Amino acid sequence: QVQLVQSGAAVKKPGSSVKVSCEASGGSFTNYAVSWVRQAPGQGLEWLGGIIPMFGTTNYAQKFQGRVTITTDASTTTVYMDLSSLRSDDTAVYYCARASAVAPPGRDYFDYWGQGTLLTVSS
Amino acid sequence: DIKLTQSPSSVSASVGDSVTITCRASQDISNWLAWYQQKPEKAPKTLIFAVSNLQSGVPSRFSGSRSGTEFTLTISSLQPEDFATYYCQHYHSYPPTFGGGTKVEIK
Repeated sequence: QVQLVQSGAAVKKPGSSVKVSCEASGGSFTNYAVSWVRQAPGQGLEWLGGIIPMFGTTNYAQKFQGRVTITTDASTTTVYMDLSSLRSDDTAVYYCARASAVAPPGRDYFDYWGQGTLLTVSS
Repeated sequence: DIKLTQSPSSVSASVGDSVTITCRASQDISNWLAWYQQKPEKAPKTLIFAVSNLQSGVPSRFSGSRSGTEFTLTISSLQPEDFATYYCQHYHSYPPTFGGGTKVEIK
């Protein structure tokens, strides 16, 4: 059974950056894309981008291009999401989610989800 | 980007009722559609993929179907644990997008 465990909540100031981690255990990881999806308070779900850990292949939503960077440390089965130039409307719960099959990031549905990381951006 | 429009945004129902949620895509997405259930303060849980395939462990009272660009999730005989918010998601092309959600509440 795959488990995705994310880093804890963070509070950041506008203009700063945050790095959120997602560690996988219990199943195949390196050749399945891991994506990041966020949910603002009381709102729906939004895909930011993803990575295939084995190849380092990434895809990002155009909206976040230049502000989000997704990386991986294959030796520790951990995926990281860096979000820069933070604004108040980046306040949200950020989830990592694994694709169900070997496919480019974002071209598959998600079968395993992390527990979520609350990011609060406030001065 | 492909827009997914869910309706209704909320529905009130009783235990034992049948509920149908609709998700309309702004263009053809073939069968590349999934449904998720989310309870408060929890991560989404995968229910259905490729329109009508139940994820392992999901009860058979959940079902999905497609007619053109309109997709439906049906929950027959609602159980207390089914009261939650439901989202559709397409994975036809970049970027994958989600519907706005449908909250199933207790009447």
